Amino acid sequence: DIQMTQSPSSLSASVGDRVTITCRASQTIGRSLNWYQQKPGKAPNLLIYAASSLQSGVPSRFSGSGSGTDFSLTISSLQPEDFATYYCQQSYRMSWTFGQGTKVEIK
Amino acid sequence: EVQLVESGGGLIQPGGSLRLSCAASGVTVSDRYMSWVRQAPGKGLEWVSVLYGGGSADYADSVKGRFTISRDNSKNTLYLQMNSLRAEDTAVYYCAASKGHYISGGFYRGLESWGQGTLVTVSS
Repeated sequence: DIQMTQSPSSLSASVGDRVTITCRASQTIGRSLNWYQQKPGKAPNLLIYAASSLQSGVPSRFSGSGSGTDFSLTISSLQPEDFATYYCQQSYRMSWTFGQGTKVEIK
Repeated sequence: EVQLVESGGGLIQPGGSLRLSCAASGVTVSDRYMSWVRQAPGKGLEWVSVLYGGGSADYADSVKGRFTISRDNSKNTLYLQMNSLRAEDTAVYYCAASKGHYISGGFYRGLESWGQGTLVTVSS
């Protein structure tokens, strides 16, 4: 299976901060990388697919980049509703695999 | 609007069986890749299984041989039959639908639509 490693595991940030989360695949996955946001007690929500395509309805402050093995999710100006856990996921090969998650907390 | 509603979770003893259902509206389950994803309490997301539009399936190694994914097209419903359950199968189980996107010559999938989840607890 392809292993996905996110960093950091958690971070503290303030409203208005620029935040970047990284995700590394154990082998090349092209651009087959998705990002999800999950709030406590809720289902995940797709933010970014194909490494950099914004899912419909997702605010433009979210952006994704990368290809091959290294990817990143950036929130340009953190908003109160963005405090959540973020997961990357590869869809290059079955079994699809997720990163371990990055919890974004309020500083 | 796509709606996925899971049911069938509950408390089950180790070694027991349970069948989860995912009733879909706003999407035809036979037209999409339909997946089950689980989340153990306080843990991250784990992909479990996928049913392709053509009817074939894939499973995570952790459930292979114990879980079976299927669908009923007439009911537009996805199922997950779980046998030989273990304590480590305790989790919220989500069903999710994905569609593909053609971008610059490549084909990409994400899990666009999710249900609210159903909790499975395996304990004596």
